[in-house]
Amino acid sequence: AQSVTQPDIHITVSEGASLELRCNYSYGATPYLFWYVQSPGQGLQLLLKYFSGDTLVQGIKGFEAEFKRSQSSFNLRKPSVHWSDAAEYFCAVGFSGGYNKLIFGAGTRLAVHP
Amino acid sequence: DAGVTQSPTHLIKTRGQQVTLRCSPISGHKSVSWYQQVLGQGPQFIFQYYEKEERGRGNFPDRFSARQFPNYSSELNVNALLLGDSALYLCASSLVADRDGRQYFGPGTRLTVT
Repeated sequence: AQSVTQPDIHITVSEGASLELRCNYSYGATPYLFWYVQSPGQGLQLLLKYFSGDTLVQGIKGFEAEFKRSQSSFNLRKPSVHWSDAAEYFCAVGFSGGYNKLIFGAGTRLAVHP
Repeated sequence: DAGVTQSPTHLIKTRGQQVTLRCSPISGHKSVSWYQQVLGQGPQFIFQYYEKEERGRGNFPDRFSARQFPNYSSELNVNALLLGDSALYLCASSLVADRDGRQYFGPGTRLTVT
């Protein structure tokens, strides 16, 4: 069965420090992979997606992610975190059963210290 | 252009009652999906509708139902509410029905069942 695991429930970093959020997936076919961010009181905003091609994808707000098939991972990175990046981050895989279903991980809550 | 809109923003219901949540997709989008996000978890897929027909259903009981109207707006109905139905209900719209379609999420409806 398809699934997504985000091993870190909470992460705290200092402003200006680098960030890496981990995501592992279980999927039988070529995955469509996504990272979303959710701020309090808001819906999910797409940061970036991977469908095929270059395994290093660039997204909005200075985020990037690298697809590693051998490790079944799609980790999200940012070289320098801003206080406004504090939010909850969700990794998701797109289901290939003929309809548009996203399977989400449980999320990682990011706190940023000044 | 307006994004995905949902109403109401919040509501409180009593166990056993019925509730209807509403979603208006982005103009031109013909697909609407519904997700349930319980506190501390990632969103879980409930339904997808495309061109007024159900395209996919998640692992939810028959108490959950939905429909899509000719203008592509959608309603999610939940009957015989349980305490466990308390969650943020997210609506997402996309241009196409399959996983190639980027999903745009609304801000959600926060349902509390007492």
